[in-house]
Amino acid sequence: GAGVSQSPSNKVTEKGKDVELRCDPISGHTALYWYRQRLGQGLEFLIYFQGNSAPDKSGLPSDRFSAERTGESVSTLTIQRTQQEDSAVYLCASSLAVGQPNEKLFFGSGTQLSVL
Amino acid sequence: GNSVTQMEGPVTLSEEAFLTINCTYTATGYPSLFWYVQYPGEGLQLLLKATKADDKGSNKGFEATYRKETTSFHLEKGSVQVSDSAVYFCALSSDRGSTLGRLYFGRGTQLTVWP
Repeated sequence: GAGVSQSPSNKVTEKGKDVELRCDPISGHTALYWYRQRLGQGLEFLIYFQGNSAPDKSGLPSDRFSAERTGESVSTLTIQRTQQEDSAVYLCASSLAVGQPNEKLFFGSGTQLSVL
Repeated sequence: GNSVTQMEGPVTLSEEAFLTINCTYTATGYPSLFWYVQYPGEGLQLLLKATKADDKGSNKGFEATYRKETTSFHLEKGSVQVSDSAVYFCALSSDRGSTLGRLYFGRGTQLTVWP
């Protein structure tokens, strides 16, 4: 597609439920990143993919969070047993390659997650 | 470690006013520095970047100079417009080790420009 697409744009869920967030990167981009932005905070790195593998999962806040990528394309971020502190905007970005210090990232519009 | 500290907002200016948004960083090695902008309802997009000391990034009338001696990358524009209203994020990209290529962001500064 023309840009990075994320769905849903908004998600309201009850505490304890599982949610799945989706990211469609720009075609041909091998690198894919997930960030989280809590209200009034900066962007917090969660995980990145090089192809379908995730070399760095150090940013995932807890074992309730997981992510996968298939076909070097779509990625899903899953949050199990959601908590109120998971409420945030979840941003996805893609780039041509990982490991280039000045590589340009293209961001999606994000998914606003609200846990009641 | 790597981190970015930027000026807290919100910043409110009249059209044609001068803009400065301060950004300082902490990093090992020689990071690249960026300003990203998020317009209402849109995703973050790269505004400008600088990859080495004393480089000046510029775009759409915005400028920022990579100052290694003061570890700063302040964003400036001589005459802002209403259309510049957005959230601005300063970021650095690590150049080494396991964090190579990862972007570290500041908290963002909300800019509102009134006509």
